[in-house]
Amino acid sequence: SQKIEQNSEALNIQEGKTATLTCNYTNYSPAYLQWYRQDPGRGPVFLLLIRENEKEKRKERLKVTFDTTLKQSLFHITASQPADSATYLCALLGRYGQAGTALIFGKGTTLSVSS
Amino acid sequence: DGGITQSPKYLFRKEGQNVTLSCEQNLNHDAMYWYRQDPGQGLRLIYYSQIVNDFQKGDIAEGYSVSREKKESFPLTVTSAQKNPTAFYLCASRGQVGSGNTIYFGEGSWLTVV
Repeated sequence: SQKIEQNSEALNIQEGKTATLTCNYTNYSPAYLQWYRQDPGRGPVFLLLIRENEKEKRKERLKVTFDTTLKQSLFHITASQPADSATYLCALLGRYGQAGTALIFGKGTTLSVSS
Repeated sequence: DGGITQSPKYLFRKEGQNVTLSCEQNLNHDAMYWYRQDPGQGLRLIYYSQIVNDFQKGDIAEGYSVSREKKESFPLTVTSAQKNPTAFYLCASRGQVGSGNTIYFGEGSWLTVV
């Protein structure tokens, strides 16, 4: 069955350091992968999408890599700030039934940035 | 502003009751989804709809029902058959393929059984 794993439930780092989160998947051949941020009690918010033919994508202090051979995506936050503290979810478009598709999410990694 | 609106934010259900969570979007999106989130479980797909008058079961559809009579609306009913309904429920919608397939979430609804 299709499976997404985010390697750690929690990550604690100091302000100014780079946070690196990992997302691994099995039994997929995804066309793209997405990362979302979720704050407690709120809905997830889209951050970045990377396509299968892209190795790396950047947006301000965020960087995502996508290795379809390793079946892995890395999500980096450089110069991290306490405001970056949140849960980060990776998601792939999975196939359901005959032709349906829906985003399937990992369980998330909760990042805590201390000042 | 365009977006997804879920209501109510907090809902309490008595044993044996059916309750309905509302989800409305004005993004002109065809696809809509309901997810359930429990602590440590991530988001699990309950139902999804790719187009009006059509919907499909996700991974945990038992005890839930939906309808899609209008493009803008995708209400979720939590029936008395759902034995453990206390959770955070998230509605989402997705644009056409050309829009990058980003999905947009509502702010969620907390359902508690009392």
